[in-house]
Amino acid sequence: GDSVTQTEGLVTLTKGLPVMLNCTYQTTYSPFLFWYVQHLNEAPKLLLKSSTDNKRTEHQGFYATLHKSSSSFHLQKSSVQLSDSALYFCALRTGGYKVVFGSGTRLLVSP
Amino acid sequence: NSKVIQTPRYLVKGQGQKAKMRCIPEKGHPVVFWYQQNKNNEFKFLINFQNQEVLQQIDMTEKRFSAECPSNSPCSLEIQSSEAGDSALYLCASSLGTGRGQNTLYFGAGTRLSVL
Repeated sequence: GDSVTQTEGLVTLTKGLPVMLNCTYQTTYSPFLFWYVQHLNEAPKLLLKSSTDNKRTEHQGFYATLHKSSSSFHLQKSSVQLSDSALYFCALRTGGYKVVFGSGTRLLVSP
Repeated sequence: NSKVIQTPRYLVKGQGQKAKMRCIPEKGHPVVFWYQQNKNNEFKFLINFQNQEVLQQIDMTEKRFSAECPSNSPCSLEIQSSEAGDSALYLCASSLGTGRGQNTLYFGAGTRLSVL
């Protein structure tokens, strides 16, 4: 069945450094990928969604590129801020009504 | 701020008690999802609706969980007989549809259920 893998459970960084959070997926259908960010006691909020194959999408300094050849949609930012500390979830929607979430990556940014 | 409204934010129940939570999806969104987010932050799909009709649900939902999305009323998720393992954050999400441009899920802040 469809699945999403986020390999890092916790990423700790000093502010100003670059970050990449990994997301790979498995599906036999045409994929739509999403990144959601969840701050403590808040709703998960959409951060990014995939466009066409090999096209980069950006929002609030974060960016990701869907690569169907490697089944990946890694999230990147060139310089993390303290306010970026949160849970990040990668999600796969294959059309229809099914949405599968990864296990999440907690990003902790220190001063 | 999220336009999906979930109430209550916190719910405390004893084992065996009923637990009911509500969700008002974003205006104009006919597709509604319920997820359970456990203490490890993992998302577990429970059930989804399009308008008032159930599209998919998992076995657990069929047995102790019931849900509905009546027209002109909030959607609801009810646990008939709460168990300690049901303690979690219950998230409601809505979307416009399933096609490109319509398939983004918008989440509410959740109802945190504690079963003592």
